[in-house]
Amino acid sequence: EVHLVESGGGVVKPGGSLRLACAASGFTFSNSWISWVRQAPGKGLDWVGLIRDKPDGGATDYAATVKGRFTISRDDSANTVYLQMNSLETEDTAIYYCTTASVLTIGVSVPFGFDSWGPGTLVTVSS
Amino acid sequence: DIVMTQSPLSLPVTPGEPASISCRSSQSLLHSNGYNFLDWYLQKPGQSPQLLIYLGSNRASGVPDRFSASGSGTDFSLQISSVEPEDVGVYFCMQSLLTPYTFGQGTKLEMK
Repeated sequence: EVHLVESGGGVVKPGGSLRLACAASGFTFSNSWISWVRQAPGKGLDWVGLIRDKPDGGATDYAATVKGRFTISRDDSANTVYLQMNSLETEDTAIYYCTTASVLTIGVSVPFGFDSWGPGTLVTVSS
Repeated sequence: DIVMTQSPLSLPVTPGEPASISCRSSQSLLHSNGYNFLDWYLQKPGQSPQLLIYLGSNRASGVPDRFSASGSGTDFSLQISSVEPEDVGVYFCMQSLLTPYTFGQGTKLEMK
């Protein structure tokens, strides 16, 4: 059974940093694409970024609102993906979820269907 | 960025009755490979989102067959043939054709 657990959330002051972790089990982690999605209190879902698997170069993509401040990385030996968040702003306050993505490869690889989600970890940015 | 627009935003439904949610995208989600990169998610109260439908019309594993979806290009819909009390929650559509992947605003389904 696929299992994802986020950790590392907490309260941080504006301008501060935090590193979230997403620990995975129950599937072949090294072949998986992992995405981060966040949800501000009482709001909708907001895609944060994605990291591809090593065969696809481990490349990353980010939402414009976090690009240059957030970095996604992975440690396949530990079955863990990280979200390093720097220069945090009050607008970054949210529950952060990690998810697995299926990938359709016909020539190019395109993700779809975020099919497993962790319970989320709450990040609060406040002075 | 591709803008996803859902309607209605609130959907009161009587148990046993059908329900339908619309999702429109600001540009076509039909890839040259023939697939529409449009998914549907349900977030039940107090829970993480769960995948209902992927690639426009395919039910995810374990999803009851009262859920179905259709559409192509820019117009999509999710149908529930007979709403059950456990279907309460917020439904989101999401496109993964182009980054940044974007979600609709969400449709809150509640029981009358």
